[in-house]
Amino acid sequence: DQQVKQNSPSLSVQEGRISILNCDYTNSMFDYFLWYKKYPAEGPTFLISISSIKDKNEDGRFTVFLNKSAKHLSLHIVPSQPGDSAVYFCAASGRRGMDSNYQLIWGAGTKLIIKP
Amino acid sequence: DTAVSQTPKYLVTQMGNDKSIKCEQNLGHDTMYWYKQDSKKFLKIMFSYNNKELIINETVPNRFSPKSPDKAHLNLHINSLELGDSAVYFCASSQDRRTRVLQGQFFGPGTRLTVL
Repeated sequence: DQQVKQNSPSLSVQEGRISILNCDYTNSMFDYFLWYKKYPAEGPTFLISISSIKDKNEDGRFTVFLNKSAKHLSLHIVPSQPGDSAVYFCAASGRRGMDSNYQLIWGAGTKLIIKP
Repeated sequence: DTAVSQTPKYLVTQMGNDKSIKCEQNLGHDTMYWYKQDSKKFLKIMFSYNNKELIINETVPNRFSPKSPDKAHLNLHINSLELGDSAVYFCASSQDRRTRVLQGQFFGPGTRLTVL
């Protein structure tokens, strides 16, 4: 039962254009959402996050939008650069039980290819 | 000065053997994790330790045993290796505070385990 879904396994975008990566979730108890970037043979690297009390968070070329009613979030990269070519993972977090530990639930990733 | 390091990076072994993967973080984080990335590229949590105490133990065979000698180290021991254990294993760490969950988890480079 996938609670976090990234339905596009890959996405190809021209350099300089906008890249939009999508993520859907099913559990309305999630209260934090994160995007990670992963290059081959490396571990995932944290990119940007958003709390469920917000609908937008921006950091340089990266913006994450959250639509709670649709249980959907997206990552916008503008302008896209060749170094953005990587696999992007969406992850969601909610409080596990009554303790303070937050477990991340991951999507399967979307491979972004930036064409020169 | 690597933040989260894992050794070895590659591990090739025969079925039935016992092996260990080591993980160290120098970030002063309270919590460490082990993830398995399966053939479908999903990242699935296996274990989580907070200050040397096991806090998450997902459904994994008891052939897998984490050991945390101190809060900077979380090693993974695997007994009687099976073909299905072949995967990439990632270690990660994070500050385990509600207000810091948005800072994400820091991942090691991964260990590619191949069981023949």
